Amino acid sequence: NAGVTQTPKFRILKIGQSMTLQCTQDMNHNYMYWYRQDPGMGLKLIYYSVGAGITDKGEVPNGYNVSRSTTEDFPLRLELAAPSQTSVYFCASSYNPGQPYNSPLHFGNGTRLTVT
Amino acid sequence: QKEVEQNSGPLSVPEGAIASLNCTYSDRVSQSFFWYRQYSGKSPELIMSIYSNGDKEDGRFTAQLNKASQYVSLLIRDSQPSDSATYLCAVNISNRGFQKLVFGTGTRLLVSP
Repeated sequence: NAGVTQTPKFRILKIGQSMTLQCTQDMNHNYMYWYRQDPGMGLKLIYYSVGAGITDKGEVPNGYNVSRSTTEDFPLRLELAAPSQTSVYFCASSYNPGQPYNSPLHFGNGTRLTVT
Repeated sequence: QKEVEQNSGPLSVPEGAIASLNCTYSDRVSQSFFWYRQYSGKSPELIMSIYSNGDKEDGRFTAQLNKASQYVSLLIRDSQPSDSATYLCAVNISNRGFQKLVFGTGTRLLVSP
């Protein structure tokens, strides 16, 4: 059981470049999330999805886009990379967090992104 | 007011002591509360979940929830140097009919031998 798989693990981008961070889960979770974590800080929610075709903004969505065409995949797109997007990105999934006992998050191993 | 608030620390305790970590939240109807531990450079890992008022114990860890005060805490008994990490509080927050998990900024715990 692979759980939540993120690729790539590391990436260096130049300012203005674009890239897609991939995330896939094999637990049939309906909720998926993208968080970013800056050094010494907590996790900030970028976007989340409650199921295929349904996404919503989190706390810090500017500069990012997402799509959810399948239950398994939730890619995060950076269109014009900026130094402020240097961070560690975590993808996570869960069942419905509004239903107790179904809601703990399962995290991927993270993607460390540097924009120079 | 932030949706989930924690003291960033660091909280320093000697080996064998009790470490007490605190978290407050803003959504009065939140139902699910979690404590995650994160070692430097690693993903967060779930260590405790709590859904009802009162205490929940799991080994050396005890989570305490008080929904009236919108307060959740984590006690670590007999603290070990290996417990040194950042502890993240997470709470489900309702948002236009959907639920999302929001994290606090984390409290860094340092356990000295």
